Amino acid sequence: AAGVIQSPRHLIKEKRETATLKCYPIPRHDTVYWYQQGPGQDPQFLISFYEKMQSDKGSIPDRFSAQQFSDYHSELNMSSLELGDSALYFCASSPRGGAYEQYFGPGTRLTVT
Amino acid sequence: AQSVAQPEDQVNVAEGNPLTVKCTYSVSGNPYLFWYVQYPNRGLQFLLKYITGDNLVKGSYGFEAEFNKSQTSFHLKKPSALVSDSALYFCAVRDMETSYDKVIFGPGTSLSVIP
Repeated sequence: AAGVIQSPRHLIKEKRETATLKCYPIPRHDTVYWYQQGPGQDPQFLISFYEKMQSDKGSIPDRFSAQQFSDYHSELNMSSLELGDSALYFCASSPRGGAYEQYFGPGTRLTVT
Repeated sequence: AQSVAQPEDQVNVAEGNPLTVKCTYSVSGNPYLFWYVQYPNRGLQFLLKYITGDNLVKGSYGFEAEFNKSQTSFHLKKPSALVSDSALYFCAVRDMETSYDKVIFGPGTSLSVIP
């Protein structure tokens, strides 16, 4: 079965640089979520999209932006990177509706040096 | 405010023994509750969920969980632990009255099954 695809899997950037993370949801899943997981921490909800529109927003810094495209893939753009942005970034997808579980991608490990 | 608590950072259990990973929650409305498992350097995998109906729900890999509304708990259980169950377990809640998409995760419990 198809799973959530994230690219790249690993990314190393320097402070003040920009990074773009990509997510390809499971086919026919119309809702995409982004999470940030710091070392030894639980995933923190950043933002979600439904049918290419932002549907909810969590603790996403103003330096970050995201969008969902017509093919339902999503990109998380991170600018002016800081050391504290080093984390695992997960994308998840699901059908619309709170009763549905989320399917997570393998994550992108971002290291900011 | 919505929150999820997992009171134990670490749970150790001998292989073959029953295991319990505890979770309590706080939401303003009716909760949708989930358990996920995370292996090292992997994404979270769905185990089971409670939406409505029978308080005892069964999920993947022999896991089950019991929803207790009066105690606001949703403990994860397995009758006989396997070494391969060793992983990080997250309880999560969705409060549909406050947010359609946002899922609140607990801090996680590291389960070690000792051979």
